[in-house]
Parts: sequence; C-alpha cells; structure tokens
Amino acid sequence: DVKVTQSSRYLVKRTGEKVFLECVQDMDHENMFWYRQDPGLGLRLIYFSYDVKMKEKGDIPEGYSVSREKKERFSLILESASTNQTSMYLCASSLMGQGAYEQYFGPGTRLTVT
Amino acid sequence: GDSVTQMEGPVTLSEEAFLTINCTYTATGYPSLFWYVQYPGEGLQLLLKATKADDKGSNKGFEATYRKETTSFHLEKGSVQVSDSAVYFCALSDAGTTGFQKLVFGTGTRLLVSP
Repeated sequence: DVKVTQSSRYLVKRTGEKVFLECVQDMDHENMFWYRQDPGLGLRLIYFSYDVKMKEKGDIPEGYSVSREKKERFSLILESASTNQTSMYLCASSLMGQGAYEQYFGPGTRLTVT
Repeated sequence: GDSVTQMEGPVTLSEEAFLTINCTYTATGYPSLFWYVQYPGEGLQLLLKATKADDKGSNKGFEATYRKETTSFHLEKGSVQVSDSAVYFCALSDAGTTGFQKLVFGTGTRLLVSP
C-alpha cells in the first residue's frame, strides 16, 4: 500500500520559532510537494522538488524554505514562524513524467502558531 | 494563470439523493482534470481523472466528463451515501513551460449527507 507520512498530526509553536515539518514517501517517487490548506482558499503550492537537492518555488513560497537530501524525504522549514502561518500543511508525491500522474497525499499537519 | 472554480458549499443532501458539484476551469493549454476527495481527518485522495476532451472518469459511483466546449468537469453521483460526506476538490494539471506537472486546485466543496 502506497504511503506518504508526515512527522506530526498537530503542532503548536510560538512566534519566532524555527519549525520543521517532515514528509516521507515509500513509493520511490521523483516529485514531492508541500501545500498549505486554508478554508475558502483550497490548496496552495508552497514548494516542490523533482529530484534530490532540487527545489522550485510554488505560488506562496514567502516565509518558507525546503530541503530534500534524500529521495524519500522532503522537509518544509519555517525559519521564523508567524501567526499567519497557522494552517494545515499537506505533503504529496508523484511520479515524474508527462502523463497525468496522481499525487499521493499525507494526512496533513495542523500547525498553530501562537 | 490557470484556475479552477467550484461551487460553494456546503452541499446538504439526504441519503440516496442525486449529487452534482460544479467545476469550471480556465487554462491556456490542454490540462488533465481531476477530482480529489478529503474525508475528515485525512489527506486528499484521487477520486477520478480525465486526460482529454470528452473523456469520462468514474470511480465508486462518481462520474465526471471533460467538457472542453464549456470548460467544465462537473462531479455527479446518482445516489449518495452517508459515507460520501467529505470535501471534494476539483483540480487541473498543467505542465506550464517546464513540462513539470503541477496541480491547481479549486477551493473545495463540502458535502454533508444525512440518513
């Protein structure tokens, strides 16, 4: 059974803290993605990666960075958390190619910044 | 840029009612279209997809047809169950200039089915 796992389901952090969200996939997928999900806004792409050590900005990269040191792991980093980064964060992975490949999602991390 | 517009929710239905959730899109190229479903407390999972005009995607009793002339991909089910209560996201996949497939999501439509 394919699987994308995220390190925490719920996280509470203080303003200014450095926050790491971890995502691991066991499907040997080339592509990995980080989204945030907010009511009324749907899912918005933060960053994605199509290979180890490669990363591309999505639609809302400000305030975030990412790291992909191994193919199966993609980390989202909030260098200095702010209250407007309180959200649900979803990680996904997919195969690389021109086809309409399905993205597989993790269960999400609900982050609250106080 | 590309965008997806979904009907606002929540959609509230009784069990065995007919379901339609509207989705329209704007795209410069020839995107693939998807419906994803998010059950409470879970991540998104693919429900169905269509890759070209007039294709019909189907799964678990749900159907959607890729209509290029109306730029639509409406989700339908003939008889909903309580277990279908979830949030449904319409999405398109656009290769853009890089050839890399990214998904553009609608805002989601919550479906509530009562017994």
